Amino acid sequence: KQEVTQIPAALSVPEGENLVLNCSFTDSAIYNLQWFRQDPGKGLTSLLLIQSSQREQTSGRLNASLDKSSGRSTLYIAASQPGDSATYLCAADSNYQLIWGAGTKLIIKP
Amino acid sequence: NAGVTQTPKFQVLKTGQSMTLQCAQDMNHNSMYWYRQDPGMGLRLIYYSASEGTTDKGEVPNGYNVSRLNKREFSLRLESAAPSQTSVYFCASSEPGAAYGYTFGSGTRLTVV
Repeated sequence: KQEVTQIPAALSVPEGENLVLNCSFTDSAIYNLQWFRQDPGKGLTSLLLIQSSQREQTSGRLNASLDKSSGRSTLYIAASQPGDSATYLCAADSNYQLIWGAGTKLIIKP
Repeated sequence: NAGVTQTPKFQVLKTGQSMTLQCAQDMNHNSMYWYRQDPGMGLRLIYYSASEGTTDKGEVPNGYNVSRLNKREFSLRLESAAPSQTSVYFCASSEPGAAYGYTFGSGTRLTVV
């Protein structure tokens, strides 16, 4: 059974820092891995999707990597801004069903 | 704007009452999903519909029923609400095998008292 873990559960850093959020999964047989952002009381916004055949995806200041052999994905945020404060969720697509991590709550201090 | 629309956004029910959560997508996706999100936990799949005319149980289906009314619409029904069903419910859609992922609605915050 696929399990997804995100570490740390919470992170607070000063504005301008580069940071890395971690996601690990137990079953490497995934179709893709997706990163989402969730703002308090809001829905989920898709940030990046990495297909199983890909190693990374980039969008603006965000870069996500995927290493299926080690069961890990990382989300790199460059030059963090207060507007990046949110909860970041990763989800592994196994057999067309998403298995979710519990999220990392990120606070960027001005 | 294209996307997934959920109604209502908020609802308070008394224990034992019934209600239906509505979801519609206009992206011509084949697959649709209902998730619940509880504090400190990841999203959990309640039911999904891989294609029009099919529905399947997810991780936490007890106490819920679904209907895939047509390709656009996928509803979730609580027949007899219980306090344990207090949660935020999200509907999502996807096109399996596509390069993009899942699109989510904005959620329904349900409280059962």
